[in-house]
Amino acid sequence: QVQLVQSGGGMVQPGRSLRLSCAASGFSFSTYSMHWVRQAPGKGLEWLASISYDGGKTYYTESVRGRFTVSRDNSKNTLYLEMNSLRAADTAVYFCATPVEMATTYYFDYWGQGALVTVSS
Amino acid sequence: SYVLTQPPSVSVAPGQTATLTCGGPNIGSKNVHWYQQKPGQAPVVVVYADSDRPPGIPERFSGANSGNTATLTINTVEAGDEADYHCQVWDTSSDHPGVFGGGTKLTVL
Repeated sequence: QVQLVQSGGGMVQPGRSLRLSCAASGFSFSTYSMHWVRQAPGKGLEWLASISYDGGKTYYTESVRGRFTVSRDNSKNTLYLEMNSLRAADTAVYFCATPVEMATTYYFDYWGQGALVTVSS
Repeated sequence: SYVLTQPPSVSVAPGQTATLTCGGPNIGSKNVHWYQQKPGQAPVVVVYADSDRPPGIPERFSGANSGNTATLTINTVEAGDEADYHCQVWDTSSDHPGVFGGGTKLTVL
């Protein structure tokens, strides 16, 4: 069965960096784009970033563009999110997710368990 | 960028019908997906592409989308339906295409 197991969350000071990982199994990881979604405490979901199946294309929401980098290692079936220059506003639970791609839309059918990132001094 | 608007909360008695809305400019031209999220858990898709249900989702959950409003309807609401519900679209005209609404907390009285 499909599994997405996340690691790398924790508490970090403002301005510092953190890397999240998402280890995938149970499906052909190298043939799917992958996505990151986050949820600040008590707030809604926010789509953050995506990466194409081969890593050749990446997309970011405006609030993290230039600070966050999504990457993948298809040989290890693992997705990464490198987060730099972290701010208090980045405090959230971060989810990786696999998409179902339809003609003109995507939705997310499998999610990681979430990783809490707390940015605080 | 495209914005989806959901009411923060909806309350309904058990056995009644809950209607959750998701508003956006001409949202009827997009495919809308709905997720249920219980505390401490990852979201689960309950309706995709406006009105389709994944396997295992009860028929009590249905969706519709027209004009500027998409709707998730939950018939014969049960206590276990209490959760946050999020709508989502994919805005192909944007370079950051994933868009979620702010979420609605469904309370079963």
